[in-house]
Amino acid sequence: SYVLTQPPSVSVAPGETARITCGGNNIGSKRLHWYQQKPGQAPVLVIYDDSDRPSGIPERFSGSNSGNTATLTISRVEAGDEADYYCQVWDTSSENYVFGTGTKVTVL
Amino acid sequence: EVQLVESGGGLVQPGGSLRLSCSASGFTFSSYAMHWVRQAPGSGLEYVSSISHNGGSTYYADSVKGRFTISRDNSKNTLYLQMRSLRAEDTAIFYCVKISGSYREDPFDMWGQGTKVTVSS
Repeated sequence: SYVLTQPPSVSVAPGETARITCGGNNIGSKRLHWYQQKPGQAPVLVIYDDSDRPSGIPERFSGSNSGNTATLTISRVEAGDEADYYCQVWDTSSENYVFGTGTKVTVL
Repeated sequence: EVQLVESGGGLVQPGGSLRLSCSASGFTFSSYAMHWVRQAPGSGLEYVSSISHNGGSTYYADSVKGRFTISRDNSKNTLYLQMRSLRAEDTAIFYCVKISGSYREDPFDMWGQGTKVTVSS
């Protein structure tokens, strides 16, 4: 089955840039989405189709996807960005939705 | 306002059954495939099951195939998940999820608040 691998944790100081990677075989050929989940809350879509932002999501959130790695970038990080982040794709081969392992972003 | 409200979670013994419901509002429920995603305590997100907009097609993760049944009642704007032969490893928060469009590759644009299922003796 298809696997999406993320680093367990990323730490960043306020005002700096956080980069969260999502690795998968030829992931660049898939439509990749990112979700933010704050403690005790449901996930929220923050990036869809590799790099598009839903309405209401700050421009500080951006994404890219190429080759075997997708990246979520959070610029000018704020305390409120502290959360778990998950990447997600639809895998045609297994006919399954696949989520990444998740990355906890800590704002120092 | 688009809203998904799950209910039906609770404590159940191993081998038992439970039916989850998800009441949808704020969008044309019958136009969208719907999904269940779960999250075990301290763990990540795991896809569980999907149903097409008209209920004609259903899909399951291997971990629940043969034990869970997804269904919907478009006249009531409600999604269901019948869970049987529950195991301790099914303990999780179950989220009802709406997809944004007509393609399986589309993103999940709306999540319910989740309902907690605990399987324990």
